[in-house]
Amino acid sequence: DSGVTQTPKHLITATGQRVTLRCSPRSGDLSVYWYQQSLDQGLQFLIQYYNGEERAKGNILERFSAQQFPDLHSELNLSSLELGDSALYFCASSARLAGVGEQFFGPGTRLTVL
Amino acid sequence: KNEVEQSPQNLTAQEGEFITINCSYSVGISALHWLQQHPGGGIVSLFMLSSGKKKHGRLIATINIQEKHSSLHITASHPRDSAVYICAVGFGNEKLTFGTGTRLTIIP
Repeated sequence: DSGVTQTPKHLITATGQRVTLRCSPRSGDLSVYWYQQSLDQGLQFLIQYYNGEERAKGNILERFSAQQFPDLHSELNLSSLELGDSALYFCASSARLAGVGEQFFGPGTRLTVL
Repeated sequence: KNEVEQSPQNLTAQEGEFITINCSYSVGISALHWLQQHPGGGIVSLFMLSSGKKKHGRLIATINIQEKHSSLHITASHPRDSAVYICAVGFGNEKLTFGTGTRLTIIP
């Protein structure tokens, strides 16, 4: 158990809908990262937050947004969902802002868009 | 072209064999991570390296900064080691770039 929690575990929805994925980092970790793992693209970095502020952005679509709240939990919002958004979404947390720091992964949310 | 290359893509071995998975990257990095992903999907961080060698149980990870190459070794492999092993690198920040993974199957 990494100490990172994600909810829900599974999510099935329809095209055009909007969903929210939730992540709670390990106690004391200020950095949260979101990753997408799809069959055709593998694991990709989406976005990083540190202590409530956005710090780095990767291959995140404009239809996707995220935020980190004062209690450090983070939410990833996916809107106008398309079939291709079906994937595993992981969050990870780290104690560090940048530089060398181990990341601890949550169990993931499996999103299926029908 | 992926900046992180892993080989082999698939590896099947008998229980007890010594396993080596390789990872090469194209530019200077701040750190290299080895991750394990089991069939259920969960990802576990095995090692984070910026130089030298690390050992944890039957797992050993090495990195050669000059050659931009890392290896993950498993000694006395066991069926429970069957998983996908993923190499990921950070280029000056923690925005990780991932390899495509090596699917390891250990046959009893």
